[in-house]
Amino acid sequence: ETGVTQSPTHLIKTRGQQVTLRCSSQSGHNTVSWYQQALGQGPQFIFQYYREEENGRGNFPPRFSGLQFPNYSSELNVNALELDDSALYLCASSLVPVQAGWTDTQYFGPGTRLTVL
Amino acid sequence: GQQLNQSPQSMFIQEGEDVSMNCTSSSIFNTWLWYKQDPGEGPVLLIALYKAGELTSNGRLTAQFGITRKDSFLNISASIPSDVGIYFCAGPRDDKIIFGKGTRLHILP
Repeated sequence: ETGVTQSPTHLIKTRGQQVTLRCSSQSGHNTVSWYQQALGQGPQFIFQYYREEENGRGNFPPRFSGLQFPNYSSELNVNALELDDSALYLCASSLVPVQAGWTDTQYFGPGTRLTVL
Repeated sequence: GQQLNQSPQSMFIQEGEDVSMNCTSSSIFNTWLWYKQDPGEGPVLLIALYKAGELTSNGRLTAQFGITRKDSFLNISASIPSDVGIYFCAGPRDDKIIFGKGTRLHILP
């Protein structure tokens, strides 16, 4: 067990709705990264938060947004849900952010399975 | 965009067999990572490679960082039922980690 927790475990929403997913990082980790994993695919990087600031973003539209709190836990918000947003959403925590092609070990949570109908 | 190509996509093997899988890229990586994902869980890091030519073991797992920096290999010796799962290669690029699509390992009874 990595110590990274995510809630909820599963979620069903309809198109156009908004969703908030939560992640608690491993103790001592100040960086949280969020990934989207579609069925049969590898995780795709959404964005990374370091000390409460967004620090790197993948190829996702602005309706994907996030927050990191002073205790380094994090939220992923998705507005105007689309069917293609159905996926497993993973968060990972690490001691330092991915930068300049280098990474510290990232510890993943179990994910939140989002289904959009 | 950046892509990591994993092969094979899936493997069906007998318990006790050795397994080999690889990952290739059109561009250079300075770090190669191998993860395993079990159903209902997040990926778990198996091996990290930091130097071209490096060969690193973790129990029955051995991974190599290719000399060209554009590929990496993972071998599993004497497979057991708990090896079933999806194996991902990954590497950091700028401020993100890029994952391959995975190799799905099935063990036949």
